[in-house]
Amino acid sequence: AQSVSQHNHHVILSEAASLELGCNYSYGGTVNLFWYVQYPGQHLQLLLKYFSGDPLVKGIKGFEAEFIKSKFSFNLRKPSVQWSDTAEYFCAVNAHGQNFVFGPGTRLSVLP
Amino acid sequence: DTAVSQTPKYLVTQMGNDKSIKCEQNLGHDTMYWYKQDSKKFLKIMFSYNNKELIINETVPNRFSPKSPDKAHLNLHINSLELGDSAVYFCASSQTSVQSTDTQYFGPGTRLTVL
Repeated sequence: AQSVSQHNHHVILSEAASLELGCNYSYGGTVNLFWYVQYPGQHLQLLLKYFSGDPLVKGIKGFEAEFIKSKFSFNLRKPSVQWSDTAEYFCAVNAHGQNFVFGPGTRLSVLP
Repeated sequence: DTAVSQTPKYLVTQMGNDKSIKCEQNLGHDTMYWYKQDSKKFLKIMFSYNNKELIINETVPNRFSPKSPDKAHLNLHINSLELGDSAVYFCASSQTSVQSTDTQYFGPGTRLTVL
């Protein structure tokens, strides 16, 4: 069975700081990887996804993520965060014929 | 042009009641899902459903039942509500359930509070 872990429960940054949120998964086969964001009081929205090809994936709002197969990781990055990036971030994994598995989420608080 | 919509947005009810949450998607997707998000923001899939197959997470109590009148709708019916059912329930849809590359699109959520 797949599982997903996210290293940080709550990250607090000042505006313009760089961001990296960790995501690791456990599954031996081919996986597809996603990052979703949930702004306060809103539904989940897709930030970016990786299926194959270039392991560095660019998403919306200046986010990117790098798939490192040998480390079973898919960390999310942004060079300079804004107050509006305050949200809950979820890493998710699925494989062929299996359901999505979400990580426990990381809350990001950006101080103005 | 809401892709995945849910009603109601908020639902407050007493223990023991029966309630339903409605979900509709206008994306033409084949598969719909229900997720439960607890107070710690942990997301857990409850059901996935297309017109051929219902997959139930074995940890979901049988008081919860999905009902799909057609491909665009997947309602969640809950019998004998308990305090622990309080959570935010998200509906989602994807093009298929076979292609694991399909993105899931989420509804706005229904915050259920059981008193």
